[in-house]
Amino acid sequence: AQSVTQPDIHITVSEGASLELRCNYSYGATPYLFWYVQSPGQGLQLLLKYFSGDTLVQGIKGFEAEFKRSQSSFNLRKPSVHWSDAAEYFCAVGNKAGNNRKLIWGLGTSLAVNP
Amino acid sequence: NAGVTQTPKFQVLKTGQSMTLQCAQDMNHNSMYWYRQDPGMGLRLIYYSASEGTTDKGEVPNGYNVSRLNKREFSLRLESAAPSQTSVYFCASSTGVGYTFGSGTRLTVV
Repeated sequence: AQSVTQPDIHITVSEGASLELRCNYSYGATPYLFWYVQSPGQGLQLLLKYFSGDTLVQGIKGFEAEFKRSQSSFNLRKPSVHWSDAAEYFCAVGNKAGNNRKLIWGLGTSLAVNP
Repeated sequence: NAGVTQTPKFQVLKTGQSMTLQCAQDMNHNSMYWYRQDPGMGLRLIYYSASEGTTDKGEVPNGYNVSRLNKREFSLRLESAAPSQTSVYFCASSTGVGYTFGSGTRLTVV
């Protein structure tokens, strides 16, 4: 079955510390992979995406993610967290082939940042 | 500004009332989606429209109907609201390279 797992429901880090949010997926076809961020009371905003090529992708706000096919993972990282990064983060996977554009979503990881 | 516009932003309904959530995008995207977001359950797809003139059920379509009025607009209708439909509703559009989301409608059914 197709699924996305974000093992950490909630993470707290100190401002300036590094961050890694985990995402594992189970998907039969070659995947598109996405990370989205949702600030409180807002819609979701695309942070970065992986389609093909370089497995380390750069996104907005200083985030990056690495696609590891052997581990079925697409972890999100940031070297130094800012207080404004406190938000909900969602990993998603989609079908690289065909016309079906539906994404499969993880349940999200809530990030809190201590001053 | 280009993007996805949802109306209304907030709504309170009584059980049994009906309402339509509106969504419009100005990015010329073919695909549009309606999701609901509930605590601890992530995003669940209600209905989607892969292109103008087509609609399909998602994971949780019961109690909802949709209309893809034209390429820009995709509305979600609750015919007889139930407390279980209390949620935050998001509309999104896509060309297949990532979604653009609206800012959401917070719906409470009492």
